[in-house]
Amino acid sequence: DAGITQSPRHKVTETGTPVTLRCHQTENHRYMYWYRQDPGHGLRLIHYSYGVKDTDKGEVSDGYSVSRSKTEDFLLTLESATSSQTSVYFCAIGELHEQFFGPGTRLTVL
Amino acid sequence: SQQGEEDPQALSIQEGENATMNCSYKTSINNLQWYRQNSGRGLVHLILIRSNEREKHSGRLRVTLDTSKKSSSLLITASRAADTASYFCATAAEGGYQKVTFGTGTKLQVIP
Repeated sequence: DAGITQSPRHKVTETGTPVTLRCHQTENHRYMYWYRQDPGHGLRLIHYSYGVKDTDKGEVSDGYSVSRSKTEDFLLTLESATSSQTSVYFCAIGELHEQFFGPGTRLTVL
Repeated sequence: SQQGEEDPQALSIQEGENATMNCSYKTSINNLQWYRQNSGRGLVHLILIRSNEREKHSGRLRVTLDTSKKSSSLLITASRAADTASYFCATAAEGGYQKVTFGTGTKLQVIP
């Protein structure tokens, strides 16, 4: 998986609790992305980063925040998890011509 | 709505047959990519075709791009059971924005 790890790989949480997902890369890539994957929707971009402390919103950013304090780490936070945020979350690194994906985190919000 | 829409949503073929998947998109693009996703795994990049190219080959993969129709097709020849996966097209928009937009995918099953 191109030197990309995600943690945790599985998480079950309750509505209203905060959740942080971590993406770690060893490729020194400038660009990092968070996607969610849901049946019938494919992958949708949540947020992306183009450098340390430089982030921007994707198409489904409501309810999510991100932080990138180091090149290798990109954190996705659900401030107050809702059942609609039950999904599989993928981190990716790369450029416009090719992206490399992590193994995914399966999040269930009860 | 999604930039890329794949057709068909699901496809089941016998091993050895060819598989064709189509992707349509809405806005002008810099390039179009195809990815494969095996069950429970992340996506893997297969091939990229630039907006000024019409056809590209890589092994058993053949990709075509028709920018006038805003569509692309992925052909997998002589399919194998190991090709069973979901396939996604992804478009990078013109303008240099550092993000791609993924379609909803085609689920391919190759029956041995």
